[in-house]
Amino acid sequence: ILNVEQSPQSLHVQEGDSTNFTCSFPSSNFYALHWYRWETAKSPEALFVMTLNGDEKKKGRISATLNTKEGYSYLYIKGSQPEDSATYLCAFILKYAGGTSYGKLTFGQGTILTVHP
Amino acid sequence: DAGVTQSPTHLIKTRGQQVTLRCSPKSGHDTVSWYQQALGQGPQFIFQYYEEEERQRGNFPDRFSGHQFPNYSSELNVNALLLGDSALYLCASSPLHTSSYEQYFGPGTRLTVT
Repeated sequence: ILNVEQSPQSLHVQEGDSTNFTCSFPSSNFYALHWYRWETAKSPEALFVMTLNGDEKKKGRISATLNTKEGYSYLYIKGSQPEDSATYLCAFILKYAGGTSYGKLTFGQGTILTVHP
Repeated sequence: DAGVTQSPTHLIKTRGQQVTLRCSPKSGHDTVSWYQQALGQGPQFIFQYYEEEERQRGNFPDRFSGHQFPNYSSELNVNALLLGDSALYLCASSPLHTSSYEQYFGPGTRLTVT
């Protein structure tokens, strides 16, 4: 059973604060790590797809880093806005023998972010 | 371009009944995966369909079965419903020949078993 852990479980910040979350995953047989944002009453939406150790991705005020050797990824939000309020999920994809994968996502339990105006 | 659609939005069933949930993938996508999200947990992988065959399966009992049609749409069937099957069921699709397996999710079907 793969173990993907996210911390913290929930976070309350003020508008303008910067914040970060952690995702821990198995350091062996790594294929990819995904970050998703899930707003209430909407569909989960992919933020980043990360595949290489040392990857750094950025989309506006949100960025993510990846360390596959030690099995963690950080998601950063700079200058949080109320519209950033959502559940942030990370999902690990395992590499099968032969280097293939079929894209089965193993999710963490998510970090619920609330940004107060 | 329509994204992933699911029907119905909400469903209430009685313990022991059977239910069918439906998913239409995003245009150009051929792979459909189903996930169950129970309260307070991350989504759990149920199974994945590709070329009308079940390609992978998670740790779910045989009461959970599925189907994929030639137009790539998919159904999730759950037999002999238990109270613990109450959850949000998400469908996700991914495109042909992807190496990143970025998945596009539908809004989910909320199933309540009483």
